[in-house]
Amino acid sequence: AQSVTQLGSHVSVSEGALVLLRCNYSSSVPPYLFWYVQYPNQGLQLLLKYTTGATLVKGINGFEAEFKKSETSFHLTKPSAHMSDAAEYFCAVSLDSGGGADGLTFGKGTHLIIQP
Amino acid sequence: GAVVSQHPSRVICKSGTSVKIECRSLDFQATTMFWYRQFPKQSLMLMATSNEGSKATYEQGVEKDKFLINHASLTLSTLTVTSAHPEDSSFYICSAKIGQGATGYTFGSGTRLTVV
Repeated sequence: AQSVTQLGSHVSVSEGALVLLRCNYSSSVPPYLFWYVQYPNQGLQLLLKYTTGATLVKGINGFEAEFKKSETSFHLTKPSAHMSDAAEYFCAVSLDSGGGADGLTFGKGTHLIIQP
Repeated sequence: GAVVSQHPSRVICKSGTSVKIECRSLDFQATTMFWYRQFPKQSLMLMATSNEGSKATYEQGVEKDKFLINHASLTLSTLTVTSAHPEDSSFYICSAKIGQGATGYTFGSGTRLTVV
């Protein structure tokens, strides 16, 4: 079974500073990896995903993540934080390679706080 | 892009009554939908996988008689919380799988259920 660990339930950065949200996974097979953002009382919005190919993935709103197989990591970064980035961020993994229909396994989430 | 519409967004019901939550794929056919539950400030936990025309697959620990799932068409899956109790109060989110493989999952906007 796969699992996802997000280090730090809360991360606080200053506006304009680098954002780094950590995600490590465990999986017996190559996973598909996702980052989602959730605003209060709303559903999830996909930021970016890694399936195959280039390990550095660029997403929406200036976010990017790098898949590092040797470190089993998929950390999310943004060079310069904006106040509107304050939200809950979830890392997720799927083992679905096309034949099945697996749901996603989510990490516990990281609440990103932006200090003015 | 693929949109999933989830209704209602909020519902308050009395203990002992049943509540139905609808999840519709608006511009694509969703053979597989997923239902998640999210407790306050916690991650999403997969409850069940809903396949069109067949019985849902429930995750371990989820009562199938309490959380009835129906996926009668390629665009509609419903979750009915039967004989609701205060401990069923939660945020429920549906998700649909887009295409084959891990090409993406799109999420509904969630339903905040409060049982009084």
